[in-house]
Amino acid sequence: AQRVTQPEKLLSVFKGAPVELKCNYSYSGSPELFWYVQYSRQRLQLLLRHISRESIKGFTADLNKGETSFHLKKPFAQEEDSAMYYCALGAGNMLTFGGGTRLMVKP
Amino acid sequence: DTGVSQDPRHKITKRGQNVTFRCDPISEHNRLYWYRQTLGQGPEFLTYFQNEAQLEKSRLLSDRFSAERPKGSFSTLEIQRTEQGDSAMYLCASSPTGDFYEQYFGPGTRLTVT
Repeated sequence: AQRVTQPEKLLSVFKGAPVELKCNYSYSGSPELFWYVQYSRQRLQLLLRHISRESIKGFTADLNKGETSFHLKKPFAQEEDSAMYYCALGAGNMLTFGGGTRLMVKP
Repeated sequence: DTGVSQDPRHKITKRGQNVTFRCDPISEHNRLYWYRQTLGQGPEFLTYFQNEAQLEKSRLLSDRFSAERPKGSFSTLEIQRTEQGDSAMYLCASSPTGDFYEQYFGPGTRLTVT
C-alpha cells in the first residue's frame, strides 16, 4: 500500500526566505507525485506534478526515487504563498494524500 | 460557476440519523471521487466513479456508507446511523478523461454529529 508523509505540520518563514516543504513516500511501483495547495477560504487545487517538471508560482519539486522524496521548494517566499500544502501520490487511479504542511510567510 | 459544487455546505445531525450529501461535478468530467478529511489530516480516499460505475471503494467506507451516481452526472453519498466518528469534511472531486490525478475539488460538506 502507498503512504505519503509530510513531517512538518507547520513551517513558518519570513518573506524573501527560501522554503522547502518535505514529502516522503512509500510505494512499490513507479509513482506519480503531486503537490496540491489550499489557500485560505479556497478549494484544494493542483499546484504542480512531477512529470511536467514546471515551475508554478516560483515553486519547483524534484522526484528523488533513491530517497523516495518529492520536496517542494521556492527560493524566495512571498506572503501570498501562505497556505496548506498537501503532497499526494497517484497510483491505482486514486490519490493518496499526506497530512499536509501549513506554510506561514511572515512579513 | 462551472466548478464542482456540493450541497449542503454544513450539516449538523444527531447520532443515529441518516444524512445524504450531493456532489455536482464539472459537466465534461467522467470521473468523480469522494474523500473524507478530518482535522489535521489530508483527504482520505473513499470511493470513485467512472460515469455511473462505482469502480473502487476504500476499506474506510463501512457498510453504513453508500454512494451512487445514477446517471453518470451528480453523485450522492449517504451515511446511515451516523456516529460521532463520522464528523468530518466530505470532499468531492472530479477529473477529466485520461487525467485521473488532476482532480478538481468542491468546497466540501462539513458534517457534525452530536
